[in-house]
Amino acid sequence: DADVTQTPRNRITKTGKRIMLECSQTKGHDRMYWYRQDPGLGLRLIYYSFDVKDINKGEISDGYSVSRQAQAKFSLSLESAIPNQTALYFCATSDPSRDGNEKLFFGSGTQLSVL
Amino acid sequence: GENVEQHPSTLSVQEGDSAVIKCTYSDSASNYFPWYKQELGKRPQLIIDIRSNVGEKKDQRIAVTLNKTAKHFSLHITETQPEDSAVYFCAAPFNQAGTALIFGKGTTLSVSS
Repeated sequence: DADVTQTPRNRITKTGKRIMLECSQTKGHDRMYWYRQDPGLGLRLIYYSFDVKDINKGEISDGYSVSRQAQAKFSLSLESAIPNQTALYFCATSDPSRDGNEKLFFGSGTQLSVL
Repeated sequence: GENVEQHPSTLSVQEGDSAVIKCTYSDSASNYFPWYKQELGKRPQLIIDIRSNVGEKKDQRIAVTLNKTAKHFSLHITETQPEDSAVYFCAAPFNQAGTALIFGKGTTLSVSS
């Protein structure tokens, strides 16, 4: 089945380190998103991209950057990780023109811990 | 920008009872309101959505209602079952440019048998 794959599944890093989370998809979708999930805070939008040349800030982009290397790949970087970036990170995709709706397809998530 | 408030944060019901989760939004131009379900340890999945040109939509035991004047929408689950236990998130468009969504903080529904 076409899917959204995130790597790594789990990552422990230290304060100040640069870290990259990767997302790849085989759905052929144009639109990709990064969210973080914290207990009690729901899902918060970090960045999103509607095609390879399009990058947009979300609700909480400070401290993060992204790269859309290809239609199928969208990576999230933390330039200098800090403990309050400890969270579960989800990548998602959508393609309203293909699916006829705005349904988001989420990856399985990356649990990041910053010590 | 859009802001979404969701209540309650936790909800406990007996099997067979109904459950209602409510959300309010701030941007009167928003026109799409989905609900996602996240089971423990799993990824969120869309369960139902509604557009602003209708007031209610049903899919078996779940329904969503929308009140555009009051800017709120609700998820209704009837005849709850233990497998309905999960975290439910409402959402609305982040802006008018496209499909990016912002989510409420979630409601943890527990259905006891």
